[in-house]
Amino acid sequence: QVQLQQSGPGLVKPSQTLSLTCAISGDSVSRNSVAWNWIRQSPSRGLEWLGRTYYSSKWYNDYAVSVKGRITVNPDTSNNQLSLQLNSVTPEDTAVYYCARSLGYFYGMDVWGQGTTVTVSS
Amino acid sequence: SYVLTQPPSVSVAPGETAGISCGGDNTGIKTVHWYQQKPGQAPLLVIYYDSDRPSGIPERFSGSNSGNTATLTISRVEAGDEADYYCQVWDTSTDHWVFGGGTKVTVL
Repeated sequence: QVQLQQSGPGLVKPSQTLSLTCAISGDSVSRNSVAWNWIRQSPSRGLEWLGRTYYSSKWYNDYAVSVKGRITVNPDTSNNQLSLQLNSVTPEDTAVYYCARSLGYFYGMDVWGQGTTVTVSS
Repeated sequence: SYVLTQPPSVSVAPGETAGISCGGDNTGIKTVHWYQQKPGQAPLLVIYYDSDRPSGIPERFSGSNSGNTATLTISRVEAGDEADYYCQVWDTSTDHWVFGGGTKVTVL
């Protein structure tokens, strides 16, 4: 059974970097053509996809335009996990953050992490 | 950017059928996925590729997609189906996943 376990701080100061980790069990972050996504949810923005990473002979990333330039999604093959870094955060980045698996580039997200509530506040 | 429009709410009596629409420009040529989300939980994939059900999802859940509208249908609605439902497509013009705004299903 595939499980995704998220970890990271729940409070981040404005202008600092939000960092979250998603530990994968029962699957491999390097499995060919499986995409690993980050999504967030807030009352004002609803569900918002942020970005993904996947391996297909080499590593690829896709990022949402809304956060491009501030976001990095990285695979950690040594620890079988993926990470999210979001720089220069503002209160608008306050949300519940999820990691999720897609079994193909355009497949739905069939396994989700438990969610991490992140508040951006001084 | 691509926009998916869902009704904010749908109310249905137990045992009846609920239909949730998801409108967008030519959704019929895209593949649509549907999620159920209950309070305090992560979304759960209930329909993928327009009409396929993941293992463990009851047959009461079905999907269709044609023209400018995709539809999630819940037959013989039960109290446990009360949740928010979201549609999702891959926008090829921006290489983005796009979610609809969500529909709250209330079982009367």
